[in-house]
Amino acid sequence: EVQLVDSGGGLVKPGGSLRLSCGASGFTLSGAWMTWVRQAPGKGLEWVGRIRSEAAGGTTDYAAPVKGRFTISRDDSKNTMYLQMNSLKTEDTAVYYCKAGDNSGYWGQGTLVTVSS
Amino acid sequence: QAVVTQEPSLTVSPGGTVTLTCGSSTGAVTSGHYSCWFQQKPGQAPRTLIYDTSNKLSWTPVRFSGSLFGGKAALTLSGAQPEDEAEYYCLLSYSSGRVFGGGTKLTVL
Repeated sequence: EVQLVDSGGGLVKPGGSLRLSCGASGFTLSGAWMTWVRQAPGKGLEWVGRIRSEAAGGTTDYAAPVKGRFTISRDDSKNTMYLQMNSLKTEDTAVYYCKAGDNSGYWGQGTLVTVSS
Repeated sequence: QAVVTQEPSLTVSPGGTVTLTCGSSTGAVTSGHYSCWFQQKPGQAPRTLIYDTSNKLSWTPVRFSGSLFGGKAALTLSGAQPEDEAEYYCLLSYSSGRVFGGGTKLTVL
């Protein structure tokens, strides 16, 4: 069974940092373009950013609201993707989901990040 | 950044057919936008239904289909079932990244 497991969420103060992880089982991350998506409470889905496969250069793209503050990375040897979030703002409060490439369609279960003083 | 638009809400009768659309502020949606469609039920993670305009995953019910129509991406549900009541989101690709639509709340009533 394929599983993507999001972890690392929690409560953090404005200006703080947090690192999320997306671990895969039953699925090899190495060939996939991986994405982070978030959903603020009661709101719709928001694309956060993506990292291409190493074969495609391993480069990243980010949505404007997080560019310069968030960094996506991957460790294919650990079958894991990461989201480093710095300079967190209250508006970053959301459930964060990882998502595998479109043609696989897999999503993590989400991890809640709460930014509050 | 582009704005992606969806109908805020739609209602379909059980067994009926409904089409959800996804438009782009930059102009007509084409195959180059690699449109995707996702279903989300309350308290659950989203589920991918369609990718690259019209491709289905192994778990996508046959009654769902994706297409391009009238300059928009479209998700058609033929033979709606009560369990299809959910929020549906589209996702479009641009040179700078990807953008979700605001979602369509589909009621089966």
